[in-house]
Order: sequence, then structure tokens, then C-alpha cells
Amino acid sequence: AQKVTQAQTEISVVEKEDVTLDCVYETRDTTYYLFWYKQPPSGELVFLIRRNSFDEQNEISGRYSWNFQKSTSSFNFTITASQVVDSAVYFCALSEVSQGSNYQLIWGAGTKLIIKP
Amino acid sequence: NAGVTQTPKFQVLKTGQSMTLQCAQDMNHNSMYWYRQDPGMGLRLIYYSASEGTTDKGEVPNGYNVSRLNKREFSLRLESAAPSQTSVYFCASRDSTFGNQPQHFGDGTRLSIL
Repeated sequence: AQKVTQAQTEISVVEKEDVTLDCVYETRDTTYYLFWYKQPPSGELVFLIRRNSFDEQNEISGRYSWNFQKSTSSFNFTITASQVVDSAVYFCALSEVSQGSNYQLIWGAGTKLIIKP
Repeated sequence: NAGVTQTPKFQVLKTGQSMTLQCAQDMNHNSMYWYRQDPGMGLRLIYYSASEGTTDKGEVPNGYNVSRLNKREFSLRLESAAPSQTSVYFCASRDSTFGNQPQHFGDGTRLSIL
């Protein structure tokens, strides 16, 4: 069965440190999509990135970078030079493309990231 | 740009009361979703509507009903609220015309059942 595991419940680092949030997924599909969302203390859910299973190229967006490795079924998220504004809960999610899935998202439990000044 | 708008933002109900959570999107998206979020857990899908005129059960549909009123609006109804339904409810929409576009979320409704 499909599943998304975010083993780190909470991470606390000091500002300017680099931090990596882990995401491990399980799926039988060969075609699928992976997402990261951010939920700041204000509560809204903000889409960060989408990656399809055929594109293993790592992506960098400013201080954010994502490392997708199909061999280990992982889609990890790194924040470089963290800032207090990065404090949030981060969710990883999986969407399969199999018939009938309707691209539903399977969510991890989230990692709460605390950046201390 | 409103995006996905949920009303109300907060609500307190007594056990047994009914209420409807409203959701509207202005992005012309085909698909809409209702989730609940409980502490320490990811989002769980309650119901979804792949397109106007269709609705389907998600992971946790018991105790809820939905209506896809038109392309813009997707409401969630609690017929007889129970304390176990205390949660934060999120509505989302997605452009399903091609590919697997991301879901876009409203700000949530914080619902407490006493």
C-alpha cells in the first residue's frame, strides 16, 4: 500500500544552520508525483514543489533544495542558512497516477521545524 | 487573488448540532477536496469532487456529507456534530485538466464540538 513517512517529528536548529527534512515513500506505481507543502504557524498550507517520478534531477530554489532518489524512495528537503521565518510544519505528500486514484494525495505526518534566533 | 476561500474561519458547536462549511475557489479548477487535520497527523481526505456533478468518499467520510454546488463551490456538512469531529478543516482545489497539478488550499476552518 502507498505510504509516506516523515520520521522526524520535530527538528530544532539555530538560525543560519542547514537542515534536512526527510521523506520516504512507498508506492507500487511507476508513475507518481511527490510534493512538499509548508504550514507556517498562521495555519495555511503553502505549496512548495512538485516532482514527477521520471525526473530525478535535484532542484534548487534560493535557500531551498530537494533531493529525489528513486533508489531509496526518498524525497528530502534541505534548507540552507535557515531563518526564523522558516519555522513551520513541513509536509511531504505522494500522488499516484494509477487508474482510479484521481491523483489523491497521501500525506506524511509532517515535520515541525523550529528555527531559534 | 482570493484563491480558495473558506467560511467560517472558526466555529464552536454543541454535540448534535448541524453545520455546513463553505468553500469557494476562483481559479476555475475542476477538482475540489475536503480534508481534516488533527494534531500530529497529516491531512486526511474526507470527500472529493473530481469534477462538477461528481463526489466521492475519501479516507474518513463517516459523519459528513458534501455538495458540489457548481464548479466554484464545494460544501461540507456535519449533520449531527460529535466531539470526535473537532478538527481543522481544509478545502483544496486543483486544475485536473492535465498532468498532476498541485492542490491549492484555503486557510482552514477551526471547528470545536463541545
